[in-house]
Amino acid sequence: ETGVTQSPTHLIKTRGQQVTLRCSSQSGHNTVSWYQQALGQGPQFIFQYYREEENGRGNFPPRFSGLQFPNYSSELNVNALELDDSALYLCASSLFTGINYEQYFGPGTRLTVT
Amino acid sequence: QKEVEQDPGPLSVPEGAIVSLNCTYSNSAFQYFMWYRQYSRKGPELLMYTYSSGNKEDGRFTAQVDKSSKYISLFIRDSQPSDSATYLCASTTDSWGKLQFGAGTQVVVTP
Repeated sequence: ETGVTQSPTHLIKTRGQQVTLRCSSQSGHNTVSWYQQALGQGPQFIFQYYREEENGRGNFPPRFSGLQFPNYSSELNVNALELDDSALYLCASSLFTGINYEQYFGPGTRLTVT
Repeated sequence: QKEVEQDPGPLSVPEGAIVSLNCTYSNSAFQYFMWYRQYSRKGPELLMYTYSSGNKEDGRFTAQVDKSSKYISLFIRDSQPSDSATYLCASTTDSWGKLQFGAGTQVVVTP
């Protein structure tokens, strides 16, 4: 069973540009969540997708958007990049255990905005 | 004010000692509580999860939740240098797992 994978590993963008980050869920997981982790901070919830529909959103502006595909892989898109968007972006996939959705994180994509 | 507060450390302990980690939270609706371990430049790894109040033990790890005082704890017995990492507490109000994290505590276990 493969774990959660993310691509690219890291990238550098210029302020005002757009970026797309990708995530492949763990096999059989139908829910994916995205988090932003600034240096020295804990991850912050961006949004969650369940069966291709958005299932909750954190306190992030609309320029952060996402997609989930029929195979449960996912994309995070960020428009009009700002310097403060520099962070580690984490994807977590999950499957209902009968009690809750336990989340398994990928290694992250480190985004630097200059 | 963040909903989950955690002392960032660093917390340095000698090998074999007990590591004690704590978080406090403000949202009374939190029902699910997790501890994650994160090594440098890696994604968080789920260590323990607890539903509502109580204790849970798994090997060298014990998680405690006291909802009356809004206090979450993790204890690591017989600590090893490989336990050196950042430990993140997280909570959520429902089973969907939209987690609110603390800032993480850096733990260093010295040989």
